[in-house]
Amino acid sequence: NAGVMQNPRHLVRRRGQEARLRCSPMKGHSHVYWYRQLPEEGLKFMVYLQKENIIDESGMPKERFSAEFPKEGPSILRIQQVVRGDSAAYFCASSPVNPTNTGELFFGEGSRLTVL
Amino acid sequence: DAKTTQPPSMDCAEGRAANLPCNHSTISGNEYVYWYRQIHSQGPQYIIHGLKNNETNEMASLIITEDRKSSTLILPHATLRDTAVYYCIVRVPNQAGTALIFGKGTTLSVSS
Repeated sequence: NAGVMQNPRHLVRRRGQEARLRCSPMKGHSHVYWYRQLPEEGLKFMVYLQKENIIDESGMPKERFSAEFPKEGPSILRIQQVVRGDSAAYFCASSPVNPTNTGELFFGEGSRLTVL
Repeated sequence: DAKTTQPPSMDCAEGRAANLPCNHSTISGNEYVYWYRQIHSQGPQYIIHGLKNNETNEMASLIITEDRKSSTLILPHATLRDTAVYYCIVRVPNQAGTALIFGKGTTLSVSS
């Protein structure tokens, strides 16, 4: 059973361009979470999605950032008009449709965005 | 979710037990204690969780005090590959609309 897959693993963008990060959850998982980790800092929760629904976006910046998890295909984190401060590692995690009592999340290896 | 307090850093000699403490004095009755770790530049990894009983798996042991106000993660024989940031998190499992909230964790350095 493949783990959480994120791509691209590394992405370089110039200021003002758009960045799209993709996350394929583990098979059978329909809950996806996005986290951001700035250099030398901790993991910050951004958004929690279920299929076709945003459940909690309390950690998302108000502008330029959006996320979706369509019925088919991966979850997408989209950053418009990137700035240097967006340079970070973006981690995706997933959990099952019918979660066990553990409530654990399974993380991908992250996508590292560098804005020049 | 209840707030947790962890020491910012700890050192451990290779082969010795690493005991990582966590205080969660405001934990509520239905909140579990979870431990994750993040090895440099990798995605976080689940280690273990528990409610009130001590737990053990192939990676670690979790000791929770009787009043549940604190816990200790034990790596019985630390190796260099256990060098990582360890996060203690308390939450209600699978509560609708909630996600894991990470604090600053403890940076464990294992040396030979």
